[in-house]
Amino acid sequence: ETGVTQSPTHLIKTRGQQVTLRCSSQSGHNTVSWYQQALGQGPQFIFQYYREEENGRGNFPPRFSGLQFPNYSSELNVNALELDDSALYLCASSLYALAAPSYNEQFFGPGTRLTVL
Amino acid sequence: AQSVTQLGSHVSVSEGALVLLRCNYSSSVPPYLFWYVQYPNQGLQLLLKYTSAATLVKGINGFEAEFKKSETSFHLTKPSAHMSDAAEYFCAVGTHTGTASKLTFGTGTRLQVTL
Repeated sequence: ETGVTQSPTHLIKTRGQQVTLRCSSQSGHNTVSWYQQALGQGPQFIFQYYREEENGRGNFPPRFSGLQFPNYSSELNVNALELDDSALYLCASSLYALAAPSYNEQFFGPGTRLTVL
Repeated sequence: AQSVTQLGSHVSVSEGALVLLRCNYSSSVPPYLFWYVQYPNQGLQLLLKYTSAATLVKGINGFEAEFKKSETSFHLTKPSAHMSDAAEYFCAVGTHTGTASKLTFGTGTRLQVTL
């Protein structure tokens, strides 16, 4: 069973640029969530994708956007980068089961460390 | 709305001593509660979870937590600390709405283990 993987591991960008982070789901999972973890803070929910559509979103501006692909992998895109976007970005995958809707346990990847200068 | 409060941003214990990390939650529905551990420069690893079954939950690495509804608490304990337990610990509440599930995390507690 393959776990959640993320790429790249580290990234340095300058203010105003755009960035794309990538995530591959754990085998058998159909849902992907993204979290932002600023230094010294707990992770904050950005959004979740299910069936290639965003189905939940936290308190993040529209310049944070995402995609989910038919193979359930996902991208997080951030436009017009700001210094405060520097953080560890965590991807988590889970399995949503129509037959038994409930909280779906999330499995986390190792994260991408984004530094905005 | 759900929220999590972790009392104590830093906790220091001696090796072999009891570990107690505190977590209080606020939830309008029966909660799913989690403890995660994060080692430096790594992602989150699930220690244990409460999903409305037994109130005393046992996890990995000798950790356990007790769900107390009357106190809205889910404190994490380990009888004897080991140097390898030094890490950041996060308490989280899981919620779902329709097809969407999300975790709301506390601000974390950094555990230091000294000789």
